[in-house]
Amino acid sequence: AQSVTQLDSQVPVFEEAPVELRCNYSSSVSVYLFWYVQYPNQGLQLLLKYLSGSTLVESINGFEAEFNKSQTSFHLRKPSVHISDTAEYFCAVSPSGGYQKVTFGTGTKLQVIP
Amino acid sequence: GAVVSQHPSWVICKSGTSVKIECRSLDFQATTMFWYRQFPKQSLMLMATSNEGSKATYEQGVEKDKFLINHASLTLSTLTVTSAHPEDSSFYICSAPGESGSPLHFGNGTRLTVT
Repeated sequence: AQSVTQLDSQVPVFEEAPVELRCNYSSSVSVYLFWYVQYPNQGLQLLLKYLSGSTLVESINGFEAEFNKSQTSFHLRKPSVHISDTAEYFCAVSPSGGYQKVTFGTGTKLQVIP
Repeated sequence: GAVVSQHPSWVICKSGTSVKIECRSLDFQATTMFWYRQFPKQSLMLMATSNEGSKATYEQGVEKDKFLINHASLTLSTLTVTSAHPEDSSFYICSAPGESGSPLHFGNGTRLTVT
């Protein structure tokens, strides 16, 4: 069994300020980790993923996440947010080697304040 | 890149009627598709796994007779909400695994409102 915990349901942050969205997971097997972003009334878009190798992964729009096995965390960070980053962010986990059983966290709504 | 198309994007129906939602993989074949339901301000809950050529696998607590799933081809899965009631109002999202090594691709979702 696996689970994902996103402790912060909402995170307000001023434009151009840094942000960290927290994600912790539990699993009895090795995992793949993901961050998805959802804009209002839309599906989910993959932001970044950790499969293996370097524990720091980056997206094309400035987000990064670091896999910390000892702390079972995969926090998402951005050094300077924009208004367009306002969205819901979901952390997700699946057993490594497949994407069939993906478990999602409850989501964190990032609200960027101008 | 791989795209999953979901239709309709929103639908309003009367209580007691049935609604069909389509999910298509546009440039890849998907022998498996997943159907999720999302309640307001909550995460996605997996409802069922749609399997091409065989019966869908439903998660615990999901009514098979209410949420009919048909995986008619390698690019199309449908979810039919039968005898819809207001409590079925929700956001339904489908997804499909991409090519080997690729994570899930999601449709844009369907907002169902039952009046």
